[in-house]
Amino acid sequence: KQEVTQIPAALSVPEGENLVLNCSFTDSAIYNLQWFRQDPGKGLTSLLLIQSSQREQTSGRLNASLDKSSGRSTLYIAASQPGDSATYLCAVASEKLVFGKGTKLTVNP
Amino acid sequence: DTAVSQTPKYLVTQMGNDKSIKCEQNLGHDTMYWYKQDSKKFLKIMFSYNNKELIINETVPNRFSPKSPDKAHLNLHINSLELGDSAVYFCASSSYRGRRDEQFFGPGTRLTVL
Repeated sequence: KQEVTQIPAALSVPEGENLVLNCSFTDSAIYNLQWFRQDPGKGLTSLLLIQSSQREQTSGRLNASLDKSSGRSTLYIAASQPGDSATYLCAVASEKLVFGKGTKLTVNP
Repeated sequence: DTAVSQTPKYLVTQMGNDKSIKCEQNLGHDTMYWYKQDSKKFLKIMFSYNNKELIINETVPNRFSPKSPDKAHLNLHINSLELGDSAVYFCASSSYRGRRDEQFFGPGTRLTVL
């Protein structure tokens, strides 16, 4: 049974800092890994999708890496801004999409 | 244009009632999903349909019945609502059989059972 863990559960940083969110999963037989952002009371916005054959994906200030063999992914956010404040969810896809419990990020002005 | 839409956005109802949530996607995807996000914000899949065929059915009470009239729609009907059904329900869609492709989520329906 696939289990996804995200550390830390919550993170508070000052504006401008670079930060890393971690995601680990127990079964390396995955098709892809997806990072989402969820704002309070809102739906999920897909940020990055990494296929199992890829090592990383980049979009603007976001960079996600995947080490399938060790069951780990990181989401790197450069030069954080208050608008980045949200909950970040990691999800791995095998037969179904399995989510972690998220990291709640607060970027303070 | 909204890619994945759900109605209603909020639903407040009494225990024992029957209610439906509708989902529509205009992305041309062939796979659609229902997820439940509980009070602790944990998101878990309930059902998945591919081309109107049920392919994933997690251990969900049979009071929950998904219906897919066509590829673009997946509705969720809930009978005899219970307090524990209170949650946010998200619809999502993807192409292929949802294994290799990005899933796009709707805005969610917040269900409150009194």
